[in-house]
Amino acid sequence: GENVEQHPSTLSVQEGDSAVIKCTYSDSASNYFPWYKQELGKRPQLIIDIRSNVGEKKDQRIAVTLNKTAKHFSLHITETQPEDSAVYFCAASWGGDSWGKLQFGAGTQVVVTP
Amino acid sequence: EADIYQTPRYLVIGTGKKITLECSQTMGHDKMYWYQQDPGMELHLIHYSYGVNSTEKGDLSSESTVSRIRTEHFPLTLESARPSHTSQYLCASRTGTGGFWDEQYFGPGTRLTVT
Repeated sequence: GENVEQHPSTLSVQEGDSAVIKCTYSDSASNYFPWYKQELGKRPQLIIDIRSNVGEKKDQRIAVTLNKTAKHFSLHITETQPEDSAVYFCAASWGGDSWGKLQFGAGTQVVVTP
Repeated sequence: EADIYQTPRYLVIGTGKKITLECSQTMGHDKMYWYQQDPGMELHLIHYSYGVNSTEKGDLSSESTVSRIRTEHFPLTLESARPSHTSQYLCASRTGTGGFWDEQYFGPGTRLTVT
């Protein structure tokens, strides 16, 4: 089955700096890669996703890049703000999986210090 | 409003009690999932459902059971709660066709404490 590894497990950045989180996946058939943000005490919420037919996607200060050959994808947050502090999860799923299961990474705790 | 609802949000219960965690979604999604998560930690899939009368166990072994009698409802039951069951339980749902899956939505979670 699919295995997703996420690094780093914790990331501390100064406000205004950029943050990068990297994930690798094992199943070359995976074709959907979402990123979720979970604030303390809240539910995980989708912040951006990318499909395998796209190499990069951007939404304001966040962007995701996908390298299918190397089987890795990354989340980039620019001009970080204190409200970006949260746990971020990457995930992957395979379109041919009739169950539609997402395989999640272990999460990255991001702390933005003013 | 289209959303996923979970009740109760918080539950403190004694060892040996039977509990049912409720999950309902109003988005018409056919796929539903239960995750177990300690605060800020990994999301562990414990059950999932393809549709009505279809349930499967997830990657993390769990003593809980689930049922799916109606599309919108996916309750999780613990027959005899133990302190090791203390955790947060998140319900989720999604849909998709043609080999691509759409966004997965999470409910607000139930924080369970077994004393």
